[in-house]
Amino acid sequence: NAGVTQTPKFRILKIGQSMTLQCTQDMNHNYMYWYRQDPGMGLKLIYYSVGAGITDKGEVPNGYNVSRSTTEDFPLRLELAAPSQTSVYFCASSYVRPQNTGELFFGEGSRLTVL
Amino acid sequence: KNQVEQSPQSLIILEGKNCTLQCNYTVSPFSNLRWYKQDTGRGPVSLTIMTFSENTKSNGRYTATLDADTKQSSLHITASQLSDSASYICVVSARGDDGGTSYGKLTFGQGTILTVHP
Repeated sequence: NAGVTQTPKFRILKIGQSMTLQCTQDMNHNYMYWYRQDPGMGLKLIYYSVGAGITDKGEVPNGYNVSRSTTEDFPLRLELAAPSQTSVYFCASSYVRPQNTGELFFGEGSRLTVL
Repeated sequence: KNQVEQSPQSLIILEGKNCTLQCNYTVSPFSNLRWYKQDTGRGPVSLTIMTFSENTKSNGRYTATLDADTKQSSLHITASQLSDSASYICVVSARGDDGGTSYGKLTFGQGTILTVHP
């Protein structure tokens, strides 16, 4: 039972470097999400997708990009890393929309540090 | 502005004792309220989901209540165990429009950190 798998678990980047956080789910969920979690704060939505080929911005999209070429994969791209992007990133998926009580399944998180 | 406030920020209890965590929200229009458990270094895991018409829901030793009139929820943990040590997050979903790509925005509380001591 893999569920939602994120890689890498930890990464240190230098300012200005780029990287991609990988996320894949094996539950055939239409909806996928990327959140960031900062200390003492609630999770904030970066981007979400309602199906392959469809993505949209969340609350804090600046500095990030996403793509959804397949139902399973939803990678998050950081183009020019900045210290403000130091955070723990969570990928999640759901079968139906959250407003329809669709349960969210989260990955284990990717801890990113930008120095 | 949609907000979810949780209290207390942290709580320490002895194993075997009960505790109650609080959640107040201002999300509108309301769709549903969820409680998640997040172990240190792990992703959140769903405990309960309640809609407007539900005022209590249980999941083993966890019981959530919802008062949609006062916009308050609580999570009661009975006979606590060491494994209950975690952050508990209250999340409220707004009711989005019925357009095809609306997903129903989730607003997350900051969490209550529960520590259970032997």
